Amino acid sequence: RKEVEQDPGPFNVPEGATVAFNCTYSNSASQSFFWYRQDCRKEPKLLMSVYSSGNEDGRFTAQLNRASQYISLLIRDSKLSDSATYLCVVSPSGTYKYIFGTGTRLKVLA
Amino acid sequence: EAQVTQNPRYLITVTGKKLTVTCSQNMNHEYMSWYRQDPGLGLRQIYYSMNVEVTDKGDVPEGYKVSRKEKRNFPLILESPSPNQTSLYFCASGGGDQPQHFGDGTRLSIL
Repeated sequence: RKEVEQDPGPFNVPEGATVAFNCTYSNSASQSFFWYRQDCRKEPKLLMSVYSSGNEDGRFTAQLNRASQYISLLIRDSKLSDSATYLCVVSPSGTYKYIFGTGTRLKVLA
Repeated sequence: EAQVTQNPRYLITVTGKKLTVTCSQNMNHEYMSWYRQDPGLGLRQIYYSMNVEVTDKGDVPEGYKVSRKEKRNFPLILESPSPNQTSLYFCASGGGDQPQHFGDGTRLSIL
């Protein structure tokens, strides 16, 4: 089993739709969680950190479920510019190691 | 402005010809990493460094070397490159409970 798993997609959604991605992780000692966005073979860019209580940044909401060992990303009112690959990142406790999922591809259609 | 700078951005070379990809950060981070990204495999860590003169292997270290003589620089060295090292490489700075910042990437083709 992979340490971090994501559905590769693609998720094709119309503009204005709400879309959600999940990411599961296997190491229960994982401490830090992030969502990154990557555009077509460019560098990954931080979208948001994921906090235990859940957090929101504009149209984006991230949730952490430690019991079931997954994190989620919800995008509301999708824009064409949201089309990208979304990478889930997990960092185990006591390490500086980052473990990346292979990403979920989102296409927002006009 | 916080930056991670990699060079070169693109390189085509031949098997066995030693090459170095440089990486520099201006954020005074102790932790730096190198990743390679291949289709279907995501980003895989090659080496990381927790501070000057402290480096360790990541998940795919074979065929690579690194050094960390100064805090800001973390070069990736391919002593004898082979075609299976053709990939997209990213240097990153920062880590742990803080986000990592990535360089623009280096597209490396080894013929």
